[in-house]
Amino acid sequence: DAGVIQSPRHEVTEMGQEVTLRCKPISGHNSLFWYRQTMMRGLELLIYFNNNVPIDDSGMPEDRFSAKMPNASFSTLKIQPSEPRDSAVYFCASSSIPLLAGGPNNEQFFGPGTRLTVL
Amino acid sequence: KNQVEQSPQSLIILEGKNCTLQCNYTVSPFSNLRWYKQDTGRGPVSLTIMTFSENTKSNGRYTATLDADTKQSSLHITASQLSDSASYICVVSASGNNRLAFGKGNQVVVIP
Repeated sequence: DAGVIQSPRHEVTEMGQEVTLRCKPISGHNSLFWYRQTMMRGLELLIYFNNNVPIDDSGMPEDRFSAKMPNASFSTLKIQPSEPRDSAVYFCASSSIPLLAGGPNNEQFFGPGTRLTVL
Repeated sequence: KNQVEQSPQSLIILEGKNCTLQCNYTVSPFSNLRWYKQDTGRGPVSLTIMTFSENTKSNGRYTATLDADTKQSSLHITASQLSDSASYICVVSASGNNRLAFGKGNQVVVIP
């Protein structure tokens, strides 16, 4: 298995532009997570999908952020319009067990991340 | 206040030496605790997971301990190698809603 795939790996854009990050989870995993990582705040959960349905989006910072999961093998995180403070590494992760199921088997497998720089 | 605090924030150790990383948490009620290793430019990878009833778990040269009474965990790296240079992130899961609380990581640099 190729693991979680994210694209692009690096994105540099100007303030005000739309940014779309893409994720392909591990085949068979039905839970997908979007995270943001910065030096100041560490890893933060933005949104969590189970069976393509958004379960918890309380971590999405503001209305400029939106995420979709049109099918089991693809998800996008969009920022419109982007701002310099959005600069961070964005990770996608997937799991075979729903987060709410709990327990020690709910390991999340992370993609390589997208490093976003907004100028 | 962050529910998961890690210390030291960063450390430099000589190849072959041991080191111990600390994680203190306030998450309650507790479900499980994971240590992740994150190499530069890559996503985190799970090293160990411990539930309430476990107080030690090993994965090769990595040994994690858990004291659920004091809400402390440690990750011990034995005979460090250059490839151990990474950030080590402590993640605590709450029972019930299973929300995850992340530490900011311990940055370890192993020098020859």
